[in-house]
Amino acid sequence: DAGVTQSPTHLIKTRGQHVTLRCSPISGHKSVSWYQQVLGQGPQFIFQYYEKEERGRGNFPDRFSARQFPNYSSELNVNALLLGDSALYLCASSLRGAGAYNEQFFGPGTRLTVL
Amino acid sequence: DAKTTQPNSMESNEEEPVHLPCNHSTISGTDYIHWYRQLPSQGPEYVIHGLTSNVNNRMASLAIAEDRKSSTLILHRATLRDAAVYYCILSPSNSGNTPLVFGKGTRLSVIA
Repeated sequence: DAGVTQSPTHLIKTRGQHVTLRCSPISGHKSVSWYQQVLGQGPQFIFQYYEKEERGRGNFPDRFSARQFPNYSSELNVNALLLGDSALYLCASSLRGAGAYNEQFFGPGTRLTVL
Repeated sequence: DAKTTQPNSMESNEEEPVHLPCNHSTISGTDYIHWYRQLPSQGPEYVIHGLTSNVNNRMASLAIAEDRKSSTLILHRATLRDAAVYYCILSPSNSGNTPLVFGKGTRLSVIA
């Protein structure tokens, strides 16, 4: 079975530009979360979506937005890019069911470089 | 969010057991202890989790102190493939509903 997939793998942008990152969850998973990982740090939570609705937001500015589509795939958008947005952006999917443990499955990430 | 404290780095010889410690003195009664690891150039992957009792799975064992203020991830025989950053995370949920709060983790090096 395919795991979580993300595209593109790498991306180079300049300051002030806009970027869209894409994520396809594992088949059957309805919850998608986005994380930002700056070099040398652990991943930091940005957004969680479930059934196309935002269910959680981390401490990130309004330049960051996301959405989830009917097929449960998701997009992360970042406007007015800053140098500090350079990072690995990770997508994670989970079943989001009550009761049994539902681990988060991470994709390989998109490496964004802002020049 | 509850905090965890882990050593920045550890080193192990191949095929030796590895004990990765985690302190979480402010853990609440409903917090689960999760361990994820991140191999080079990959996203994090689930290792193990527990609440109060020690846990074993095919990847590792989790030993939880009686007062729950600390825990230890045990890799029984380290291999080169186990070289990764290991994250100890507290979460008030055992499901995928709650975002994971990662610290800096412990970078494990395995020597052949």
